[in-house]
Amino acid sequence: DAGITQSPRYKITETGRQVTLMCHQTWSHSYMFWYRQDLGHGLRLIYYSAAADITDKGEVPDGYVVSRSKTENFPLTLESATRSQTSVYFCASSASGSSYNEQFFGPGTRLTVL
Amino acid sequence: AQKVTQAQTEISVVEKEDVTLDCVYETRDTTYYLFWYKQPPSGELVFLIRRNSFDEQNEISGRYSWNFQKSTSSFNFTITASQVVDSAVYFCALSGRTGANSKLTFGKGITLSVRP
Repeated sequence: DAGITQSPRYKITETGRQVTLMCHQTWSHSYMFWYRQDLGHGLRLIYYSAAADITDKGEVPDGYVVSRSKTENFPLTLESATRSQTSVYFCASSASGSSYNEQFFGPGTRLTVL
Repeated sequence: AQKVTQAQTEISVVEKEDVTLDCVYETRDTTYYLFWYKQPPSGELVFLIRRNSFDEQNEISGRYSWNFQKSTSSFNFTITASQVVDSAVYFCALSGRTGANSKLTFGKGITLSVRP
């Protein structure tokens, strides 16, 4: 199906474990983004990517790693999960980096770190 | 740096009431874009509207209307004759023109509850 998907939708892990959240889009959008949503903070940008092999930090990048070897995929890795990373994570994509362009969001991944 | 303030955190209304969600923004860019997104209880983010800084015309789409005023740096959203299905979290967002400001900056969101 066309669109943007995230997996898993729900994940429970333990402190110190590595976790990878997947994001896949079928539009061939150049730009992809990772946000986290926390109560009282709205959505905050973690990392973004302008194209395959081009990534850059957002507002809250610490503790996260991203890669983008293919245009359609943008995985987010928590190398050593902490409780403060319990959150809902949204992936988004956009046709270009122009601030005019609408970002399309995935359904979100709810991550709990125990 | 750019900033979006949604001072209202929670609003509760009875069905058929009108409700206005406030959004105030700060940016140094002369060209910028404002957005509203809806997040229903199911959790997905739904795009509602985009407005650029050069277009101060108000917009109406069915029961939804948006009032953009550059003089007060506000982009308020009004729902007329609210319905239970309007219950959601609403986010206002700002995107500047260049560099780091070209990324979306979100407000903290307003939780709207519409009671039958």
